[in-house]
Amino acid sequence: AQSVAQPEDQVNVAEGNPLTVKCTYSVSGNPYLFWYVQYPNRGLQFLLKYITGDNLVKGSYGFEAEFNKSQTSFHLKKPSALVSDSALYFCAVRDGSNNAGNMLTFGGGTRLMVKP
Amino acid sequence: EAGVAQSPRYKIIEKRQSVAFWCNPISGHATLYWYQQILGQGPKLLIQFQNNGVVDDSQLPKDRFSAERLKGVDSTLKIQPAKLEDSAVYLCASSLATGGGYEQYFGPGTRLTVT
Repeated sequence: AQSVAQPEDQVNVAEGNPLTVKCTYSVSGNPYLFWYVQYPNRGLQFLLKYITGDNLVKGSYGFEAEFNKSQTSFHLKKPSALVSDSALYFCAVRDGSNNAGNMLTFGGGTRLMVKP
Repeated sequence: EAGVAQSPRYKIIEKRQSVAFWCNPISGHATLYWYQQILGQGPKLLIQFQNNGVVDDSQLPKDRFSAERLKGVDSTLKIQPAKLEDSAVYLCASSLATGGGYEQYFGPGTRLTVT
């Protein structure tokens, strides 16, 4: 079975400072990893994904994530946080070796609070 | 490009009543998903369609939940009868296809309150 852990319920950071939102995963095959963001009363928006290739993946709104196979992690990062980045962030994983479907398993979410 | 459409946005019903949600995916997307998101948790997949066929419904409570995608485009999710624990946001998503690294695009969701 595949699973995702987001160990922090909330991350607080000052505007202009770098931010990191942590994610670790467990799959039996090759991991396909995704980050989504959710603003209040809205659906999830895709930020970025890792399928294969470079371990550092760049996505929307200046976000990036680093895939670390040995640590089974896929932490989300941004060099300089904005107040408008405040939202709920979800990490998700799919077992890339399972071609029977496209089931994504989501973590519990991390609330990012960026203070001016 | 229009996004995933869902209706209604909000619904309040009493327990034991029935309710239905509608979803229209992004044009050309073959795969459609229904998720349940309970407050404070991540979305949980209920059912996945590839065109008009079911790919995965292993987490759908089939005694009370049903879903269909008859013409391979829009879909409805029904709950009958509803329980208090069904209070959640129901998210619909679509992707170009099943498999690979296709990202999913989500609609705004339907917030269901069961009283």
